[in-house]
This record gives sequence, C-alpha cells and structure tokens, in this order.
Amino acid sequence: QVHLVESGGGVVQPGRSLRLSCAASGFGFGTYGMHWVRQAPGKGLEWVALIWYDGVQKQYADSVKGRFTISRDNFKNTLYLQMDSLRVEDTAVYYCARVRFCSSTNCNGYLDHWGQGTLVTASS
Amino acid sequence: EIVMTQSPATLSVSPGERVTLSCRASQSIDSNLAWYQQKPGQAPRLLIYGVSARDTGIPARFSGSGSGTEFTLTISSLQSEDFAVYYCQQYNKGPPITFGQGTRLEIK
Repeated sequence: QVHLVESGGGVVQPGRSLRLSCAASGFGFGTYGMHWVRQAPGKGLEWVALIWYDGVQKQYADSVKGRFTISRDNFKNTLYLQMDSLRVEDTAVYYCARVRFCSSTNCNGYLDHWGQGTLVTASS
Repeated sequence: EIVMTQSPATLSVSPGERVTLSCRASQSIDSNLAWYQQKPGQAPRLLIYGVSARDTGIPARFSGSGSGTEFTLTISSLQSEDFAVYYCQQYNKGPPITFGQGTRLEIK
C-alpha cells in the first residue's frame, strides 16, 4: 500500500535552514506529482509547494517563494523540501502528499495519500 | 487566489444524527472540490473528490453535493469515529490549491 514518511523536522533558530525528506513506497513514485502542505499549531491547512512527476516543473506559495525549494529523487523514491531563511511563522507540521492526477500543464489536484507529518519549530 | 469558506466553524451533534457541512468558493470551481477528514494528531484523509465521488474505503454514509460555488458534505448517521475536523479543498485553479478553514464536529 501507499506509504509516505516525512523526516527532518526539529527546532531551529529563525534565519537558519532545515531540509525535510519524504520517503515514498508502495507506488510508482516517479509517475506522480507531489505536494507539501503545512499546518500551524491549532490552525488549518496551507499549501506550500508542488513538483511534477519528472521534477522539472515546480510551484510555490507566495509565503515561501524564494526561501523554500522542492525537489525529488525518483531513484531514491524521496521528496525533499529545503527550507532556508526560516521565520517564526513557518512553524508548523509539514505533510507530504501525493496528487492523484497531473497533466502536462496542471498538477493542482486532490491529495489522495498523506504522510504523518513532521514538526518544524522556528524559535529563538 | 480562490478563497474557500466553510460553515459553521463548529457543530455540536449527537451520534446517529444527520449532519450537513457547507463550503463556499469565492468563484466558480466547477466540480473540482475535495473533502478531507482530520482527527487529532493525524494527517488529513481524503473522503470525497470531484464533489461527490467517495475515495476507496470511505463509508456510504458520507456524501457530497453541489456545483459552482456552493458545496455540502453530508454524513447521514454520525458514528463515534466521525467526530473530527473536516476541510474542503478546491483544485480548479492553482497554484495555490486552497483549503477552507475547517469545520469541527464535536459530540453534543
């Protein structure tokens, strides 16, 4: 069955960097687009970034553009989120999620499988 | 950006009751709407996509309806395991995909 496992979260000072990983198994990882979605403590869901199945096209929320980088290694079945210049407001649980369908021009679909999340805390 | 608004924020209901949750989009999203359930400490789980299609393994007591800008999720007879937070999400236009702020179902 589909399995997504995030790792790499932790406590970091504002301005520092962190890299999250999402290990995928149970499906053809290289054929699916992937998203990162975050949830601040006690708050709702906020989309962060997406990457097409081939890793070429990427899109970001305005709140993280220029600071976060999404990438993937289809040989290692792993998704990444490099987070630089972290801010207090980036504190959240970060989920990776698989999007059911991507076309050549649109990967903004519904998310059919989610990882358990990893907590990132940006605090001095 | 398409804004999704859910109502009410919290709903107190008794097991066995029928409940309807609402979700409104700031512009038409055709049928590109999904619903998720999230229990405390867990990841969201996909319930419904394409307004009314239940995902694999989702019980038939969950149903979705609507079109354009107005959508509803109905749970025909609440079970104890259904008390959770429910989010709607549009994927008609993005980025970004956007979520509603959630409706919390609590036990009366």
